Amino acid sequence: QKEVEQDPGPLSVPEGAIVSLNCTYSNSAFQYFMWYRQYSRKGPELLMYTYSSGNKEDGRFTAQVDKSSKYISLFIRDSQPSDSATYLCAMSLSGNTPLVFGKGTRLSVIA
Amino acid sequence: SQTIHQWPATLVQPVGSPLSLECTVEGTSNPNLYWYRQAAGRGLQLLFYSIGIGQISSEVPQNLSASRPQDRQFILSSKKLLLSDSGFYLCAWNLPRNYGYTFGSGTRLTVV
Repeated sequence: QKEVEQDPGPLSVPEGAIVSLNCTYSNSAFQYFMWYRQYSRKGPELLMYTYSSGNKEDGRFTAQVDKSSKYISLFIRDSQPSDSATYLCAMSLSGNTPLVFGKGTRLSVIA
Repeated sequence: SQTIHQWPATLVQPVGSPLSLECTVEGTSNPNLYWYRQAAGRGLQLLFYSIGIGQISSEVPQNLSASRPQDRQFILSSKKLLLSDSGFYLCAWNLPRNYGYTFGSGTRLTVV
């Protein structure tokens, strides 16, 4: 069983749709959870960061962590064509241990 | 402000040739530095990370090596490339106990 599982998609939605992206993980010691967005042929950029369980909202983006289920989610409201990218979840045990990434989900938002 | 530079952007190399990819960070000191490889269908694979000059941790035993000759410089090398070394190589940095990474723009390596 891989440490972090993420459905690679691809996922195609119409503009304005609500998008739900998910990851599951096996190591209950993970405490820090992140979502990165990667445009084609570019390096990933940090989108959302959450510590332990709970929700965090930033504009159209909401990150959720459920440590009891070892499940994290990213919701995108009112999706736009500019949201078309690959979204990677990442997590770590502490600030001094390297991030472990999911494989990424490729999202296309169709105008 | 902090910036990360990674070069070259693309590289086509024959099997058996050497490799040197360089990454430098500006505007900060004592960063943690990372090399990741991203291959199709395999996600981001951590290759090496460094928490200081001369301190390199290897995550994946293979024909690649890394060095950190200066505080803000991280180099990925190989003496003889294999076809399986093809991929998108990404350098990243963060400050200790700062959980978000900043990635470079990547090097797309094709071994032919």
